[in-house]
Amino acid sequence: EAQVTQNPRYLITVTGKKLTVTCSQNMNHEYMSWYRQDPGLGLRQIYYSMNVEVTDKGDVPEGYKVSRKEKRNFPLILESPSPNQTSLYFCASSSPGTSHGYTFGSGTRLTVV
Amino acid sequence: AQSVTQLDSQVPVFEEAPVELRCNYSSSVSVYLFWYVQYPNQGLQLLLKYLSGSTLVKGINGFEAEFNKSQTSFHLRKPSVHISDTAEYFCAVTLMDSSYKLIFGSGTRLLVRP
Repeated sequence: EAQVTQNPRYLITVTGKKLTVTCSQNMNHEYMSWYRQDPGLGLRQIYYSMNVEVTDKGDVPEGYKVSRKEKRNFPLILESPSPNQTSLYFCASSSPGTSHGYTFGSGTRLTVV
Repeated sequence: AQSVTQLDSQVPVFEEAPVELRCNYSSSVSVYLFWYVQYPNQGLQLLLKYLSGSTLVKGINGFEAEFNKSQTSFHLRKPSVHISDTAEYFCAVTLMDSSYKLIFGSGTRLLVRP
């Protein structure tokens, strides 16, 4: 089954403790992206990657890092999480040539206390 | 700058009534248009999309949307809603440039009452 897999689904952590949210897709998509969803703001792009070793900032990149060492994986790293990063995070992938739109993971609900 | 505007943050409606969720966009490049639905405590599901051709597109669960280029709108409609349609609906555009960026509106919460 074609899918984007995120882990974990839920995470509670403390301020300053480094964490990684994993994202993996099995569709051989070139594009991958991370979004955060906050009430009243919709989904905002954090980082995106057009292919292996090619990443760029989205609209709200502060406090986040990403890497794209393999085509299928695109982890989101919070080096020193803060309470304002409490949010619902989605990973998505796409292949521009297919025009099928983006496929989204199930989301990761992160709480930073 | 490109943007997507959903004018209504919440739309309450009675079961079996028709509904329209409004979406307008602004972009200097051509776009693909999408509607996504998010049921409570779930991820995003593609409802329908407009890429080209007929401006009226049909999606899952009886929803349809009409692309109006002159008004840069892509409103979502359903002639008769069900309780199970209660969810948050997001309008989004993908830029048809090298960024292929997906930009979302702020969402509309559809609340269907019995």
